[in-house]
Amino acid sequence: KAGVTQTPRYLIKTRGQQVTLSCSPISGHRSVSWYQQTPGQGLQFLFEYFSETQRNKGNFPGRFSGRQFSNSRSEMNVSTLELGDSALYLCASSLGSLSYEQYFGPGTRLTVT
Amino acid sequence: GQQLNQSPQSMFIQEGEDVSMNCTSSSIFNTWLWYKQDPGEGPVLLIALYKAGELTSNGRLTAQFGITRKDSFLNISASIPSDVGIYFCAGRSGSQGNLIFGKGTKLSVKP
Repeated sequence: KAGVTQTPRYLIKTRGQQVTLSCSPISGHRSVSWYQQTPGQGLQFLFEYFSETQRNKGNFPGRFSGRQFSNSRSEMNVSTLELGDSALYLCASSLGSLSYEQYFGPGTRLTVT
Repeated sequence: GQQLNQSPQSMFIQEGEDVSMNCTSSSIFNTWLWYKQDPGEGPVLLIALYKAGELTSNGRLTAQFGITRKDSFLNISASIPSDVGIYFCAGRSGSQGNLIFGKGTKLSVKP
């Protein structure tokens, strides 16, 4: 069974731009969660989608948004990029809504210049 | 908010030695997960724990869910070079709550 895939793997953007990251969960998994990982803050929860609905949200500004499609694939969007948004963005999928084990993708490394 | 304290932050060990690391939380958790992350990759799930006192093994790895439900431990026996990486604990306090992650333990093995 294929694992979680994320595209692109690497991305360089400039301040003020916006970016969209994509995540395809493990087949059969209906929940997708997004995390931001930085050296200083570690892994921080952004939001979780289950059956196309946002079920849980972390403490991030409204510039961070996401959505989930009927095939469970998910996208995350960051608008008006700031230097501090440079991070590894990880997507994790699970069978159910957060109450199950989460399996991570390889991440998208975003660099904002 | 909820916090997880993971220790030690880093450790160097001789190949063949046993390794221990732990996480403590400020509140009660009902799930503990342990992950390993290699450079440039996402975390890989090692062990999941769901009951207080539970002891679970995965090869040379053994993890325990603390009786107080506020801590968890991971042990690696007879370490080998491929054990190098960053180990994260993660906990959840409700059936719908998101995972809270520790800051990680960076493991380096001297060949």
